[in-house]
Order: sequence, then C-alpha cells, then structure tokens
Amino acid sequence: AQTVTQSQPEMSVQEAETVTLSCTYDTSENNYYLFWYKQPPSRQMILVIRQEAYKQQNATENRFSVNFQKAAKSFSLKISDSQLGDTAMYFCAFMKHLSNDYKLSFGAGTTVTVRA
Amino acid sequence: EPEVTQTPSHQVTQMGQEVILRCVPISNHLYFYWYRQILGQKVEFLVSFYNNEISEKSEIFDDQFSVERPDGSNFTLKIRSTKLEDSAMYFCAGGQNYGYTFGSGTRLTVV
Repeated sequence: AQTVTQSQPEMSVQEAETVTLSCTYDTSENNYYLFWYKQPPSRQMILVIRQEAYKQQNATENRFSVNFQKAAKSFSLKISDSQLGDTAMYFCAFMKHLSNDYKLSFGAGTTVTVRA
Repeated sequence: EPEVTQTPSHQVTQMGQEVILRCVPISNHLYFYWYRQILGQKVEFLVSFYNNEISEKSEIFDDQFSVERPDGSNFTLKIRSTKLEDSAMYFCAGGQNYGYTFGSGTRLTVV
C-alpha cells in the first residue's frame, strides 16, 4: 500500500509571500502520478497540479509549482505570490499508473492560512 | 466546464436508518469512485466502479455499503444501517483514467 505523508499540519503566510508545502510518499512502483488538491472552506476538492513520475520536468500552473524529487520520493508544492483565496486545506495524493486502478491515496493535509 | 453533481448537499439521518447518496457523473466518465472524509481528517478511498461493477473497495467498504449505477447515469452509494461513525463528507468522483473530477460532496450527519 502507498503511504503519503504531509508533515506540516498548518502553515501561515503573508499575502504576496511564498509558501512551500512538503509531501513525501512511499511506494515500490516506478510509474505513478502525484497530485495536489485544494479544499477551501466550501469542502470542494479542486485539483491544483498533477505530476507524472516519468517526467523529470516539474509541473507548474500559474502561481503553483512543484519540486518533484523521485529518488527522495518527495513532492513539495510552492505557492508564489499568495492570495487570500489560497486559504484552504491542501492535500497531496498518489495514484498508481496501472490500468483499472486509479484510486487516490491522500496525505493528512496541510491547512494554509494567508494573512492580509 | 462539466461538473459532477451530488445530492443532497447535506443529509441528517437517525442511527440505524438507510441512506442513499446520489451522484451524476460527467457523461464521458468511465470510472467512478466514492471517497469519505471524516471532519478534519484525510480523504479516504471507499470504492471504485468500472464497467458496471466494483473494481476495488477498501476495508471501510463493508457489507453495510453498496453502490450501483442503475440507469447508466446516476451513481449511488447506499449505507444500509447508519452508525454514528458514518458521519462524514462523502465525495463522488469520475474520470476516464488518471484525470478525476470530484463532486461538491454530501455532508452526512448521523444522530
């Protein structure tokens, strides 16, 4: 079974500053996907960014970028120029790259608060 | 953008009662899932459904739970006899492979 660990229960950041959320995972798979999901107070699960393990280039989506270190099994999320709307819980998630097995294994989440 | 729709958004039920949570996935989805999130905790996989049958289920998904897609459109999760510990957010999700769309969730409160 895959284990996803988010070691920071809470993070606080000043508006316009940068915050980095850590995530590590444990797997024996070579091919897989990694995700960051955002869950605002509305409780909706919103995909922030996705990384394919076979791609060395780190994924970016506007102000969100990842640092994917496959050998270290690390997948951190950087939020640049933080905005008040970024306040949410952020979950790191793992998915195997196998046909018919697309379930997600989530970490415990990190609550991010952006201060005005 | 197409959405996964879940109803109801909030349901309160008496312990021991049966509940049915409903989901309408996006029409071209092939895989369907239910996840659960107990308040303040992580999101947990319950069950995946593909080709009109369960493809995988977790230890949480015991005999009290069932899923079906009766009309090729709605995807339902039934809890036969609810317990207090079933109180949680339940998320439906659909996708074609590694691309998921989550519904907005149903908050189930068992009293």
